[in-house]
Amino acid sequence: DTEVTQTPKHLVMGMTNKKSLKCEQHMGHRAMYWYKQKAKKPPELMFVYSYEKLSINESVPSRFSPECPNSSLLNLHLHALQPEDSALYLCASSQAGPNSPLHFGNGTRLTVT
Amino acid sequence: SQQGEEDPQALSIQEGENATMNCSYKTSINNLQWYRQNSGRGLVHLILIRSNEREKHSGRLRVTLDTSKKSSSLLITASRAADTASYFCATGSSGGGADGLTFGKGTHLIIQP
Repeated sequence: DTEVTQTPKHLVMGMTNKKSLKCEQHMGHRAMYWYKQKAKKPPELMFVYSYEKLSINESVPSRFSPECPNSSLLNLHLHALQPEDSALYLCASSQAGPNSPLHFGNGTRLTVT
Repeated sequence: SQQGEEDPQALSIQEGENATMNCSYKTSINNLQWYRQNSGRGLVHLILIRSNEREKHSGRLRVTLDTSKKSSSLLITASRAADTASYFCATGSSGGGADGLTFGKGTHLIIQP
């Protein structure tokens, strides 16, 4: 078990669906992250929120829309995805400083049909 | 773009032997971190070494950092079957704040019982 909780664990969606991934942490961390990981590849950074403000968007397509309602929650809204977007989506949190380790959730396994 | 590059990409050893994984990176770093990922799960932080440190130990783990060669190594001593996992190095930029980590391609380690 991890201290970062992601829901759902698995999600299958069609290309016309709208869905959301959720992430929650109660460690008081002020930075939160979304990563995307394809099979047998390393995680790739998508978004960084620092003090509830979006600080980094790694040129992610607009069909992925992040949201940070408060310091404990991070959402990723999905709309009009493509089959190639199928992947493991990992949420992480950390202290806001540059040397802080990331705490990862176990991810949402997303399949786009 | 990928910052860290691990080698070997795959490593299979007998239980009880030592496992060594190497990582090279390209730009200036604030710190270098190693993570473990069991199949289909989130990443777990193992150890962080700052750019002004040369060696660090944690239990059966030993990490070295050579900033002149832009390389790091992770040594796992007296390996166990439970060490079977993928291992990633990750680097943060030399700037301040939470800017996310860039992960290397990873080494898949298999410990044969």
